[in-house]
Amino acid sequence: EAEVAQSPRYKITEKSQAVAFWCDPISGHATLYWYRQILGQGPELLVQFQDESVVDDSQLPKDRFSAERLKGVDSTLKIQPAELGDSAMYLCASSRNGQANTEAFFGQGTRLTVV
Amino acid sequence: QQQVKQSPQSLIVQKGGISIINCAYENTAFDYFPWYQQFPGKGPALLIAIRPDVSEKKEGRFTISFNKSAKQFSLHIMDSQPGDSATYFCAASFTGGGNKLTFGTGTQLKVEL
Repeated sequence: EAEVAQSPRYKITEKSQAVAFWCDPISGHATLYWYRQILGQGPELLVQFQDESVVDDSQLPKDRFSAERLKGVDSTLKIQPAELGDSAMYLCASSRNGQANTEAFFGQGTRLTVV
Repeated sequence: QQQVKQSPQSLIVQKGGISIINCAYENTAFDYFPWYQQFPGKGPALLIAIRPDVSEKKEGRFTISFNKSAKQFSLHIMDSQPGDSATYFCAASFTGGGNKLTFGTGTQLKVEL
């Protein structure tokens, strides 16, 4: 069964350091999402790609966060510099397209701890 | 702005009982309401979804009830089993919203023997 792959599974980093997460969506899925899930809360969309283009990054803290999907396949989310408040689970998801009601499949996430 | 409110935060149900989780939304543009199930250390997985043109949808032991006028929807888990113990999230999206999901805060369900 096809899955969304994410790495690393866990990351501990010091405040002010740079950190990066990688996501490989299900093959053929044109739409890729990065969500942030703070402990005890629901996931919140950070950025959405359609192929290699960003279609929604309204909730992405652009002063420290960046995301790219250069060839429209895998994607990287970067935080620089990391802050204590960035500690969360970062979830990647993909769907066949970005049309409403299209099922999004989530990866297992990267749990980030900033110390 | 939290647009989807979910309750209760946690729920303990005896095996064989009915688990009920409620959600309320504010944005009347929402027209797709999925429920996700998340086990510890895993990403959320789609459980069941409904559109507002129907008032109820059932899949196996899972039922969504939808009240458009009240802007509320709920998940019912019949004959709850220990394997159902997980965190459940309601969510909503709307046509034209690029399939962006707005999630509730989650309900941690524990089914006891």
